[in-house]
Amino acid sequence: AQSVTQLDSQVPVFEEAPVELRCNYSSSVSVYLFWYVQYPNQGLQLLLKYLSGSTLVKGINGFEAEFNKSQTSFHLRKPSVHISDTAEYFCAVSRLDSSYKLIFGSGTRLLVRP
Amino acid sequence: EPEVTQTPSHQVTQMGQEVILRCVPISNHLYFYWYRQILGQKVEFLVSFYNNEISEKSEIFDDQFSVERPDGSNFTLKIRSTKLEDSAMYFCGGRQSSYEQYFGPGTRLTVT
Repeated sequence: AQSVTQLDSQVPVFEEAPVELRCNYSSSVSVYLFWYVQYPNQGLQLLLKYLSGSTLVKGINGFEAEFNKSQTSFHLRKPSVHISDTAEYFCAVSRLDSSYKLIFGSGTRLLVRP
Repeated sequence: EPEVTQTPSHQVTQMGQEVILRCVPISNHLYFYWYRQILGQKVEFLVSFYNNEISEKSEIFDDQFSVERPDGSNFTLKIRSTKLEDSAMYFCGGRQSSYEQYFGPGTRLTVT
């Protein structure tokens, strides 16, 4: 079975500072990797995805993530955050041999302070 | 830009009652999913649906749950006899043949 670990439940950061949200996964088969964002009282919005190819993927709102197969990680980064980036961020994996259901991490709350 | 819609946004029901949560996926999506998120916990997979049948379901998705796509547009999740522990946010998701899923805004189910 696969699992997704987001070690940081909350990450406080000042506006315009860089941020990294960590995600590690375990799986016995190949997976696709995703980051979703959930703004307060809203649904899940796809930020970015890694399916294959370049290990550095860029998403919406200036976010990017790097897939590291040897470390089984898919950390999310942004060089300069805004107040509006305050939200819950979920890392998720999808097995290639299933219905492509998503297995989510427990989420990281990004709190951007002025 | 097309969106997934879900109704109602909030449903309050008494324990033992049946509820139906409705979703209208994006029109060209082929694969459909339900997930739930109990308050303070992670998002959990419930069921996937393709070609008018369940393709995979989790342990959570027991005989009290059912899904259907009755008219080619709506995708529904029915809980026959709700329990207190069914209180959660329920998300509908869908995708084309590509692998990224798109979600609706969710239905908050409160069982009293």
